[in-house]
Amino acid sequence: AQTVTQSQPEMSVQEAETVTLSCTYDTSESDYYLFWYKQPPSRQMILVIRQEAYKQQNATENRFSVNFQKAAKSFSLKISDSQLGDAAMYFCAYRKRVQGAQKLVFGQGTRLTINP
Amino acid sequence: DAGVIQSPRHEVTEMGQEVTLRCKPISGHDYLFWYRQTMMRGLELLIYFNNNVPIDDSGMPEDRFSAKMPNASFSTLKIQPSEPRDSAVYFCASSLANRIFGYTFGSGTRLTVV
Repeated sequence: AQTVTQSQPEMSVQEAETVTLSCTYDTSESDYYLFWYKQPPSRQMILVIRQEAYKQQNATENRFSVNFQKAAKSFSLKISDSQLGDAAMYFCAYRKRVQGAQKLVFGQGTRLTINP
Repeated sequence: DAGVIQSPRHEVTEMGQEVTLRCKPISGHDYLFWYRQTMMRGLELLIYFNNNVPIDDSGMPEDRFSAKMPNASFSTLKIQPSEPRDSAVYFCASSLANRIFGYTFGSGTRLTVV
């Protein structure tokens, strides 16, 4: 079974600085998707960024970027120029890229605090 | 698009009572998922449907839990009888097959069983 591990239960960063959240996963599949979701205090799960395993280029969305290391099964999230609104729980998630296989497997989450 | 709509947003009930959580997926989405979030166990998939048919219910914790999807626009998750350990946030999410964008989540129902 696939597993996702986030080894940092909590992280903090000064406003305007850069922070990296770690994620590793375990799978025997070669084709899959990886995601980072943000959950602010409102509880809403918000998709931050996604990566297709067959793409070597790391995904980027404005201040958010990933470092995808397929061989190492590592998928870290870098947040640049941190803002107070980035404070939230962040979840790494995995999904097989197979017809009909839609299950998302989540890590335990990392609570990110932004210090003003 | 109104997104995935869950109701109620909060529910407080007494142990032993029946609880029904409701979800309206995004129109046109053919997958619907129920997740439970707790501090101890994180986000757990309970069950998911494809075209209203349950595909995998292996995450349903016990017979006290049941889920239905009578049509493409409505699903329920029922707990009967409820127990304090069922206290959690329950999320519904919907998706289109083979879209890489992951899920669209509802805002969740916070259930407290006292």
